[in-house]
Amino acid sequence: DAGVIQSPRHEVTEMGQEVTLRCKPISGHDYLFWYRQTMMRGLELLIYFNNNVPIDDSGMPEDRFSAKMPNASFSTLKIQPSEPRDSAVYFCASRRGDRGRTGELFFGEGSRLTVL
Amino acid sequence: DQQVKQNSPSLSVQEGRISILNCDYTNSMFDYFLWYKKYPAEGPTFLISISSIKDKNEDGRFTVFLNKSAKHLSLHIVPSQPGDSAVYFCAVPSGSARQLTFGSGTQLTVLP
Repeated sequence: DAGVIQSPRHEVTEMGQEVTLRCKPISGHDYLFWYRQTMMRGLELLIYFNNNVPIDDSGMPEDRFSAKMPNASFSTLKIQPSEPRDSAVYFCASRRGDRGRTGELFFGEGSRLTVL
Repeated sequence: DQQVKQNSPSLSVQEGRISILNCDYTNSMFDYFLWYKKYPAEGPTFLISISSIKDKNEDGRFTVFLNKSAKHLSLHIVPSQPGDSAVYFCAVPSGSARQLTFGSGTQLTVLP
């Protein structure tokens, strides 16, 4: 089975530009999570979806960040406008609802964003 | 609000010796705790977990210990191998969906 697929793997953009990161979760997984990894803050949860519905976006840093999940096989994380401090690795992860007891998440390989 | 702390950002160990990675958490409402491993340019992968009703769980060279009264987890790797060099995150569930809160990670380097 394919794992969680993220694109692009690397993105370099200039401050003020719009950035869209994409994620395809594992088929059958009904929870999808977006995390961000930075040196200062480690892995922090930005937002998560259950059955395509955003449940908790309290980790989204600012209104410049938005996320959608139009269907069970696709999610986007958008930053508009981007700023240098958004530079980080963004991870998408998914899991089945019945795995909530053990909590095991399956992560994609990440999208490394650099904002100049 | 769940907080998870890994106070050692890095650890170097000689091959064949024991590696001990530590983690402290604040909220003990939930019934399992996890460790993840991350290689460069890859996503984190699940390594080992422990139920709160146990104080030890062993899987090959990896053993996780839980001290609930101290709200402390530790991961022991013995013997350590160069391929174990990676960043290790402890993770604790929180919230209604048991979403994971991760520590800041410990970079383990196993020297040949």
